[in-house]
Amino acid sequence: SQTIHQWPATLVQPVGSPLSLECTVEGTSNPNLYWYRQAAGRGLQLLFYSVGIGQISSEVPQNLSASRPQDRQFILSSKKLLLSDSGFYLCACLTWGGELFFGEGSRLTVL
Amino acid sequence: AQSVTQLDSQVPVFEEAPVELRCNYSSSVSVYLFWYVQYPNQGLQLLLKYLSGSTLVKGINGFEAEFNKSQTSFHLRKPSVHISDTAEYFCAVSAYAGNNRKLIWGLGTSLAVNP
Repeated sequence: SQTIHQWPATLVQPVGSPLSLECTVEGTSNPNLYWYRQAAGRGLQLLFYSVGIGQISSEVPQNLSASRPQDRQFILSSKKLLLSDSGFYLCACLTWGGELFFGEGSRLTVL
Repeated sequence: AQSVTQLDSQVPVFEEAPVELRCNYSSSVSVYLFWYVQYPNQGLQLLLKYLSGSTLVKGINGFEAEFNKSQTSFHLRKPSVHISDTAEYFCAVSAYAGNNRKLIWGLGTSLAVNP
């Protein structure tokens, strides 16, 4: 079965600073990977998904970008954070059973 | 447009009471249906899923859900809840949008189990 590691688990950053959130998947190969954001009181918003190395699809225009430098590594980045980037960021992979398997999340607070 | 509606944003219930969390969806094509649970400051965990076959699906932690195609519903039930069931519950539907399957999420239902 797969395991997803996300780090850092918690991050407090000032407005205008850069961001890098990392996600690493174990126990599977060539997974479809996803970045979701969960803002307070709101549901899950799909940010990016990737079907392979270097292949990124963006679901919504925003201040963030994603990269997939290796098969099981998915990175979420920003050059300059906004207050509205605060939230709980979740990395997920698609399993053979057709459901998403989630990591433990990274909580970002932008001040 | 396809959508998922979780009819109750918050559900308070006493321990050992039964609970039903409601989920309705709109889609005119074949769907896969999921319920996830999220404990505070954690990721989402799959409770159960419906892909095909029997419309009554049993999941982890004593939860079950019934797929009702005519009513486009997938309500989650548990006959007797525990304090530890306090969490956020999300319904999700996977349906075709063009040539690809898309996963559409409800906004979640906060279940609070009180002693």
